[in-house]
Amino acid sequence: KAGVTQTPRYLIKTRGQQVTLSCSPISGHRSVSWYQQTPGQGLQFLFEYFSETQRNKGNFPGRFSGRQFSNSRSEMNVSTLELGDSALYLCASSPDTQETQYFGPGTRLLVL
Amino acid sequence: GESVGLHLPTLSVQEGDNSIINCAYSNSASDYFIWYKQESGKGPQFIIDIRSNMDKRQGQRVTVLLNKTVKHLSLQIAATQPGDSAVYFCAEIPSSYKLIFGSGTRLLVRP
Repeated sequence: KAGVTQTPRYLIKTRGQQVTLSCSPISGHRSVSWYQQTPGQGLQFLFEYFSETQRNKGNFPGRFSGRQFSNSRSEMNVSTLELGDSALYLCASSPDTQETQYFGPGTRLLVL
Repeated sequence: GESVGLHLPTLSVQEGDNSIINCAYSNSASDYFIWYKQESGKGPQFIIDIRSNMDKRQGQRVTVLLNKTVKHLSLQIAATQPGDSAVYFCAEIPSSYKLIFGSGTRLLVRP
């Protein structure tokens, strides 16, 4: 099976812009989670989707949003970008909750 | 808040020696734990997992130990190789659907 794929791999934006990141889970996986990784804060949970429904959300402002499509592919959107949003954004998929999550390579976002 | 932490930020070992990476968790309700390995420029890679009804689980060259009494996890890597150099994270899954990650330990393997 192909692994989790994320696009784009690298992105440069300026403050105030918005960005959309895409994640395709492993075939058959219905749960998709998003994480932000920064040197200072480590890996932090953003949100989790299962069957197009957001089941859990981390402590991030409303500028961070996501959605999941019927084929389990997911997107996350960050509006009004800030310098502090520069990070590696990781997507992980699993068959369901309480099961091992498998990560994609991440999208590295740089906000200038 | 809930957290999973690591005792040592950096561990340096000689090639061929065994490595032990430790992790403390704070949520006693967590019943599933995972170790991940992250190499530079890559996403975390699953290594091994353990559920709370077990004390020990072995994989290929790796062993995870769980001590629920003191809420402690450890990852043992036998015969450490240069390819094992990476950052290792422990993670727990409490009743919610999210992974809670520790801060990570960097493993450096000396040739």
